[in-house]
Amino acid sequence: NAGVTQTPKFQVLKTGQSMTLQCAQDMNHNSMYWYRQDPGMGLRLIYYSASEGTTDKGEVPNGYNVSRLNKREFSLRLESAAPSQTSVYFCASKGGGTYNEQFFGPGTRLTVL
Amino acid sequence: GQSLEQPSEVTAVEGAIVQINCTYQTSGFYGLSWYQQHDGGAPTFLSYNGLDGLEETGRFSSFLSRSDSYGYLLLQELQMKDSASYFCAVRSGNTPLVFGKGTRLSVIA
Repeated sequence: NAGVTQTPKFQVLKTGQSMTLQCAQDMNHNSMYWYRQDPGMGLRLIYYSASEGTTDKGEVPNGYNVSRLNKREFSLRLESAAPSQTSVYFCASKGGGTYNEQFFGPGTRLTVL
Repeated sequence: GQSLEQPSEVTAVEGAIVQINCTYQTSGFYGLSWYQQHDGGAPTFLSYNGLDGLEETGRFSSFLSRSDSYGYLLLQELQMKDSASYFCAVRSGNTPLVFGKGTRLSVIA
């Protein structure tokens, strides 16, 4: 049981390049999330998927797109990377438990030059 | 909208007790969660309060007062490994969790 996995762990891009961050969970959770974390800013929600086939914008969606490929996988795409998107990106999933607990992946550290 | 306030930094001595406060503003409040994050790591769930009162899990306790829109995380018998960032997060209606900006706890000898 791997929990939430993310690839890649590290990535360096040049301004204008595109890339997709991959996330998968093996806990049969319905909900999945993408956050970015910047120093002093906490965790800010980019996009989320409450269930397979649905996606919704979070607090900071500009410059990103997402795909809920199936129940397990939720990808985040940067179409034209900008230095302002330098951040640590976390994927998370949530089941229907009492505590509304979210399980986070290990993160992707992205630098845009 | 939703907002949460928590101190940005707290320092405490090994073996002591520390309290990290969180105040929130939201509508349709369901509960308050706490997450821990070590440097370079991912956030991990610590506790959840849906009702007023104290929830205890080992050395960690969490408290909620819905009437005051206030909660806190209490860490007892502090250990060096407790040095980390702690985030409160609010659950409201069917919306995703909203996280505070985090409190960086430094435990010193």
